[in-house]
Parts: sequence; C-alpha cells; structure tokens
Amino acid sequence: GAVVSQHPSWVICKSGTSVKIECRSLDFQATTMFWYRQFPKKSLMLMATSNEGSKATYEQGVEKDKFLINHASLTLSTLTVTSAHPEDSSFYICSARERTGGNTIYFGEGSWLTVV
Amino acid sequence: DAKTTQPTSMDCAEGRAANLPCNHSTISGNEYVYWYRQIHSQGPQYIIHGLKNNETNEMASLIITEDRKSSTLILPHATLRDTAVYYCIVSPNSGNTPLVFGKGTRLSVIA
Repeated sequence: GAVVSQHPSWVICKSGTSVKIECRSLDFQATTMFWYRQFPKKSLMLMATSNEGSKATYEQGVEKDKFLINHASLTLSTLTVTSAHPEDSSFYICSARERTGGNTIYFGEGSWLTVV
Repeated sequence: DAKTTQPTSMDCAEGRAANLPCNHSTISGNEYVYWYRQIHSQGPQYIIHGLKNNETNEMASLIITEDRKSSTLILPHATLRDTAVYYCIVSPNSGNTPLVFGKGTRLSVIA
C-alpha cells in the first residue's frame, strides 16, 4: 500500500516550548491529510483536517492556536504544538487519502510526544 | 461518533481462523466498510475495505451481509503477530471525510 511517514517518531520537549511534527506522503500526492491524537488505551481522536493551500478544519474542542497545522505542499503537512504542557503528551498520528488507487486512507507510524 | 459496534475483546488460537464481527446498522448507501488494525505503539494499518460484495486480499477476507448492516473480518490462519486492536469503520470512499474510530476489538492470538 501507499506510504505515509511521520517525523520524529518520538520527541521530548520542555514545558512552554513548541514542537513540530511532520507528515509526508511518500509515493502519492495528498490534498487532504488528517491529524489524530491517542491517549494510552484509548482510541484515536480526530483533531483536524489539513487541506493543501488552505486553512485546516479543527474538530470541536481542539484549539487551533495551540495546534498549528500547515499543509504547504501536496506531500507534506505539519502539526506544531505550541507552548506545550505536560497534558499535551500523547501519541499523534497523521493519515492521508491516496486518490489514484482505491481512495484508501493510509496512516503514518505515529509520533510520541512527551512534555516534561 | 463511530457508527459501528464491535466486541471489546476476543481470543483466537494460533493457526485457527479469527472471525471479527462488526455491526453497522445505520450505514448509508455511499459508505464503505473499512478495517484497520493497530499494533501497540504503531499507527493503524489498512487491512481491507468493501461496499457490498465480499472481498479478499493477502491479509484477510471481508464478508458483508446482504443488507449491509453487519460484516465479519476473517483472518484465515491467525499468528501471534496478528495480536492487535481491530477497528471497523464505515465511511464514504471519497472527498475529505476522515475516518472516525470507535473502540475496536482487541484480538489476542494465543499460542
């Protein structure tokens, strides 16, 4: 299947700092990417839909000024957690729809964020 | 909210077939049935999807009832590496619609 890659796989940052997570579609173009977060032993929660060349659409309860999403090209979306707090520590996962084959959505490997 | 209902957990003996059920009684005509699995600390892995016909690929088979209100994912010969949380999701196969995850079924394959 198509490949979606995230970087970094894990990151530790200090409270108050910002951290950026990249999501790349390696072998297809994605006009839309999706960002999720997942707490331990819980299911994936949709945070936002990232649209290439336009503003992201955030789910209710997700602060757009805290979780900045940029989708500057057809193969790259970034999520920046600004002024990180320990409660932002989570597993962040992106996904993208591959349109040339079966329109299937593929997921990245995920990025573990720990805020200390 | 997720439109599917799955058992919380299941066990399966190694080498036997694992049959994972899913109820989606409110599925719309344009919605497909997708199955993904998530192994601990990894992103979800696509398994298979279908609209109304049964589907098979190298990983699994998907059996969808004629009224499309339920489906079953079949792993024909489960191995220990198939231990994971399996998610059944209904969603349109186009546009900007994201996948909405329910709680899934935790499948434990036992030696």
